[in-house]
Amino acid sequence: AQTVTQSQPEMSVQEAETVTLSCTYDTSESDYYLFWYKQPPSRQMILVIRQEAYKQQNATENRFSVNFQKAAKSFSLKISDSQLGDAAMYFCAYTRNQGAQKLVFGQGTRLTINP
Amino acid sequence: AAGVIQSPRHLIKEKRETATLKCYPIPRHDTVYWYQQGPGQDPQFLISFYEKMQSDKGSIPDRFSAQQFSDYHSELNMSSLELGDSALYFCASSPPPRGYTEAFFGQGTRLTVV
Repeated sequence: AQTVTQSQPEMSVQEAETVTLSCTYDTSESDYYLFWYKQPPSRQMILVIRQEAYKQQNATENRFSVNFQKAAKSFSLKISDSQLGDAAMYFCAYTRNQGAQKLVFGQGTRLTINP
Repeated sequence: AAGVIQSPRHLIKEKRETATLKCYPIPRHDTVYWYQQGPGQDPQFLISFYEKMQSDKGSIPDRFSAQQFSDYHSELNMSSLELGDSALYFCASSPPPRGYTEAFFGQGTRLTVV
């Protein structure tokens, strides 16, 4: 079975600084997708960024980028120029690349932005 | 753009009562997923449907049942409610599976069992 582990229950960063959230996963599959979801106090699940396992290039979305290390099964999220609106729970998630598949989530990291 | 609609948004039930949660997927999405997120927990997959047939099953209690109807909306029926069923229930939908398909989440139904 696939598992996703986030070892940082809480992180904090000063506004405008950079923060990195860690995620490791375990799978025997070679073709899969990894995600970072943001869950603000509204509890809405918002997709932040997606990485395809067969792509070596790390995904980027504006201030958000990932460091995908396939051999190490590591998938960290870097948030640059942190903003107050980035404060939320962040979940790392995995799914197999076989059409519609369920998401397996990590335990989450609560990110606080200090003004 | 249309999003996934869940109703009701909030629901309060007493122990041993029954609850029905509804999910209306994005138009032309034929796959629906249900997740349960307990307080301070990560979302846990319950069950999914593709073209009105159950496609996968996770840690869904026997007291729960779900189905997808001809118009692709889905309902999660929960009977003999327990205090531990208090959680946020998410529905997500995705388009027909051709390669990777992204799942879009609804805003969730917050169920409180008292």
